Amino acid sequence: EIVMTQSPATLSVSPGERATLSCRASQSVSSNLAWYQQKPGQAPRLLIYGASTRATGIPARFSGSGSGTEFTLTISSLQSEDFAVYYCQQYNNWPPEYTFGQGTKLEIK
Amino acid sequence: EVQLVESGGGLVQPGGSLRLSCAASGFTFSSYWMHWVRQAPGKGLVWVSRINSDGSSTSYADSVKGRFTISRDNAKNTLYLQMNSLRAEDTAVYYCARDSYSDISLGFDPWGQGTLVTVSS
Repeated sequence: EIVMTQSPATLSVSPGERATLSCRASQSVSSNLAWYQQKPGQAPRLLIYGASTRATGIPARFSGSGSGTEFTLTISSLQSEDFAVYYCQQYNNWPPEYTFGQGTKLEIK
Repeated sequence: EVQLVESGGGLVQPGGSLRLSCAASGFTFSSYWMHWVRQAPGKGLVWVSRINSDGSSTSYADSVKGRFTISRDNAKNTLYLQMNSLRAEDTAVYYCARDSYSDISLGFDPWGQGTLVTVSS
């Protein structure tokens, strides 16, 4: 089983600043990595898939990078609506496995 | 508008059963692979199950294998999750989510609003 580890657990950043969130896989997942944003009381929203491709309608300030075991989600200039919990997810088609990280809470500093 | 709406959640006793439904609209449901994901109160996301576009192939997380069954009715644009032998640790919000046309995942998008399942005596 592939384990996804996100760091830090909580990140405090001021609006307008840059946020960098990390995700590490216990073994290579190639570029089969997605990022999601979840706000309280809401369903998750897909931000990035294929490690670096923005989903439809996602602002350009969100970017993803990495491959293999190390991945990063960068939010270039934080807006008030960006403060939320972020999850990474790896997907392996065989054997079927879709493992989420434990999440990073991005809070206002 | 692409939309997924879950229903069927509620309070059930340990050992009981429940069937969740996910009604899809705004897209060609029969073309997409679909998933169920759950989130225990205050916890993270956990993948539960997936089904391919015509329903001929299914997969499950080890924690639910043998107890849960995913299915779909493409004529009714509806995804199902039959949950049997429920345990307290199955308590969670259950989300359905759309994937891609094939076994090459493009991330889960969109997600439904979720339905709460509580297993308690």
